[in-house]
Amino acid sequence: EPEVTQTPSHQVTQMGQEVILRCVPISNHLYFYWYRQILGQKVEFLVSFYNNEISEKSEIFDDQFSVERPDGSNFTLKIRSTKLEDSAMYFCASAETSGRGGTQYFGPGTRLTVL
Amino acid sequence: AQSVTQLDSHVSVSEGTPVLLRCNYSSSYSPSLFWYVQHPNKGLQLLLKYTSAATLVKGINGFEAEFKKSETSFHLTKPSAHMSDAAEYFCVVSRDDYKLSFGAGTTVTVRA
Repeated sequence: EPEVTQTPSHQVTQMGQEVILRCVPISNHLYFYWYRQILGQKVEFLVSFYNNEISEKSEIFDDQFSVERPDGSNFTLKIRSTKLEDSAMYFCASAETSGRGGTQYFGPGTRLTVL
Repeated sequence: AQSVTQLDSHVSVSEGTPVLLRCNYSSSYSPSLFWYVQHPNKGLQLLLKYTSAATLVKGINGFEAEFKKSETSFHLTKPSAHMSDAAEYFCVVSRDDYKLSFGAGTTVTVRA
């Protein structure tokens, strides 16, 4: 069964460094998402992406964050200058359609630790 | 805006007994509702979803949920718990747009 994959599974970085989290969505999916879960808190929506554009973003997704689909298979989340509060589990998801017919399928997550 | 409240942060059951995970939602639209499960060190797996068809929704691994509009609830049940059901469960609501809103999660432990 096709699944969403994410690399790395765990990333440790120093405050102020740039990180890129990578995701390979399910191959025929067109809608892509990033969520994060700070330890002990709810899973929060960050951004959705369709047709090479951001569809919607939350207030968390400020200028430090960017997303890109650099080729036909990868979907990346870049944090330009990491802060301690960026430490979280980051989940990528993809869907074939959006709206009521769409179901988002999640990857296993990348645990980001900022020191 | 839409949101969900999971009424129990932790549920403990004995193997072979029923499981009930409670979820209330708030939405100004007719929502789509989901239950996802997260096993330790694994990603979020879809258990089932409701999108305005039948109010009783059957999912994987013997789970089902009933949408009750009058009570704004979407409780998850399973008649007989198995050790492999130990995990964290998330009730999720979505409007007809792109983002999911998650509940805080319910941790299920299963006693032998």
